[in-house]
Amino acid sequence: EPEVTQTPSHQVTQMGQEVILRCVPISNHLYFYWYRQILGQKVEFLVSFYNNEISEKSEIFDDQFSVERPDGSNFTLKIRSTKLEDSAMYFCASRGRDGAEAFFGQGTRLTVV
Amino acid sequence: AQKVTQAQTEISVVEKEDVTLDCVYETRDTTYYLFWYKQPPSGELVFLIRRNSFDEQNEISGRYSWNFQKSTSSFNFTITASQVVDSAVYFCALSETGGYNKLIFGAGTRLAVHP
Repeated sequence: EPEVTQTPSHQVTQMGQEVILRCVPISNHLYFYWYRQILGQKVEFLVSFYNNEISEKSEIFDDQFSVERPDGSNFTLKIRSTKLEDSAMYFCASRGRDGAEAFFGQGTRLTVV
Repeated sequence: AQKVTQAQTEISVVEKEDVTLDCVYETRDTTYYLFWYKQPPSGELVFLIRRNSFDEQNEISGRYSWNFQKSTSSFNFTITASQVVDSAVYFCALSETGGYNKLIFGAGTRLAVHP
């Protein structure tokens, strides 16, 4: 069964460092997303990506964040200068069409120290 | 504005009890989609069900059933004869139409099923 794959599963980084979280969405999907879940809290939308551009972003997704789909398969989230409050589980998701369910990767736990 | 409310923060039951998780949503759209996801202790988000706003039929899948009522903007989830493996956080989510539209999640309900 096709699945969304995220790497790494856990990343520890020092405050101020750049991190790149990687995702391989399901191959025939068209819509891609990043969500964040701070420990014990709700899942929050960060950004959606369609047709090689950002279609919507939340207030959380400030200038420190960027997304790319460099090669038609990978979908990356970059945080330029990490802050302590960026520590969270980051989920990548993809969906194939309007209204379909989103399939989530297993998440990357980012710890900023 | 879109909003999903899961008023039950935590529920604790004994195995074999039935349990209902409540979900109330707000949206201005007439066409929208509702979802339930399960987050087990391992952390991943597992899709359970999708329902579109035009389909108010209740659905049953094994021990799981869902009750969608547009009149009360609710999409409740019942687990019959709960099992320890049902212990997880359950999220209700809303998506408006438009393929790139995001999921808006509720705060989640943590279900603990004790033997």
